[in-house]
Amino acid sequence: AQKITQTQPGMFVQEKEAVTLDCTYDTSDPSYGLFWYKQPSSGEMIFLIYQGSYDQQNATEGRYSLNFQKARKSANLVISASQLGDSAMYFCAMREVGGSNYKLTFGKGTLLTVNP
Amino acid sequence: SAVISQKPSRDICQRGTSLTIQCQVDSQVTMMFWYRQQPGQSLTLIATANQGSEATYESGFVIDKFPISRPNLTFSTLTVSNMSPEDSSIYLCSVPPHLDEQFFGPGTRLTVL
Repeated sequence: AQKITQTQPGMFVQEKEAVTLDCTYDTSDPSYGLFWYKQPSSGEMIFLIYQGSYDQQNATEGRYSLNFQKARKSANLVISASQLGDSAMYFCAMREVGGSNYKLTFGKGTLLTVNP
Repeated sequence: SAVISQKPSRDICQRGTSLTIQCQVDSQVTMMFWYRQQPGQSLTLIATANQGSEATYESGFVIDKFPISRPNLTFSTLTVSNMSPEDSSIYLCSVPPHLDEQFFGPGTRLTVL
């Protein structure tokens, strides 16, 4: 079974509007972490934000915030005030910590296009 | 954070040859990973590079095809051996300096003809 599911292959948003990118996950490990990455056409993977399973508050980093709903096993990325430079692939990833294993498992990604 | 460099940034290789990719980190890290991203796909973990011991490979990846070295805590190499066009991918090294972060190198874009 897929551990990380990103159901939106592509998303469009108008510049300056907010957009939510969906991510659901599956794990039986009580201790895990969720990551979001941005991959522009250049191919580099840019680390955006992290949410730990025991974190009480939703993570925020500048214009990025993570809408973490533990019971629903979802970790959606919210980008506020979209900019043209936000156009890129976005990947959700999970690390299961229980086995002291730092491996990341990635979703298939969502291609975000910001329109002027 | 960690600053990661990779060499080469891109290469075009002939079928049947091998390419060694280098990954250098600006600080000592215990764990280092190698990922592959095939065209239009997500990232797949190839192996964990262990310092002082053999790498740990994921299902579907073998040492003969992807030998890895990790001579110290800041450096690793991945070799893609006996290449075929199916090996055309972006190869990325990655390090988790802390539990709540993981950084990637800029990637090596490989094309096999």
